[in-house]
Amino acid sequence: AQSVTQLGSHVSVSEGALVLLRCNYSSSVPPYLFWYVQYPNQGLQLLLKYTSAATLVKGINGFEAEFKKSETSFHLTKPSAHMSDAAEYFCAVFRSGGYQKVTFGTGTKLQVIP
Amino acid sequence: DGGITQSPKYLFRKEGQNVTLSCEQNLNHDAMYWYRQDPGQGLRLIYYSQIVNDFQKGDIAEGYSVSREKKESFPLTVTSAQKNPTAFYLCASKPGQASYEQYFGPGTRLTVT
Repeated sequence: AQSVTQLGSHVSVSEGALVLLRCNYSSSVPPYLFWYVQYPNQGLQLLLKYTSAATLVKGINGFEAEFKKSETSFHLTKPSAHMSDAAEYFCAVFRSGGYQKVTFGTGTKLQVIP
Repeated sequence: DGGITQSPKYLFRKEGQNVTLSCEQNLNHDAMYWYRQDPGQGLRLIYYSQIVNDFQKGDIAEGYSVSREKKESFPLTVTSAQKNPTAFYLCASKPGQASYEQYFGPGTRLTVT
């Protein structure tokens, strides 16, 4: 079964500091991985996706993630946090097998301290 | 503008009443999904539909029902059998089997008292 684990339900960073949100996946086949962002009381917006092309994936709002097969990780980073980055972030993996379903992690709330 | 609409944004019901949440998309997507979101639990799949007139149970389908009579519409009914219906409900869609990216609506927050 494919799943994702997000380490840390809450992460706090200072404005201008590096953002690092961790995601590890469990998959028996090459996965399709995603990061989504959710602002309070809103839907999810896709930040970036890995679909077995380049291992370093660039997304919107200056975020990027690196697929590391040896570590089964897909951590999300941003060099310099902005106040507007405060939100909840979800890592997700596409479940293969014809079911066309996505499994989401439990989410990490990012707090940006001025 | 193309997108997914969910209405209403906030919904209040008394315990024991059925309630239907609306989800409409004008993206011409084949697949549609319903998720439930609770604090600290991420998103859990309730039902999904890959084509019109067909839908499948997700991981937590008990107490919910859906229909898919039109491509653009996928309403979710929360029945009185759902033990803890208070939650944030998200609808999503996806172009088709060759696509892996889901597009989400703004969500409906249901409160049952």
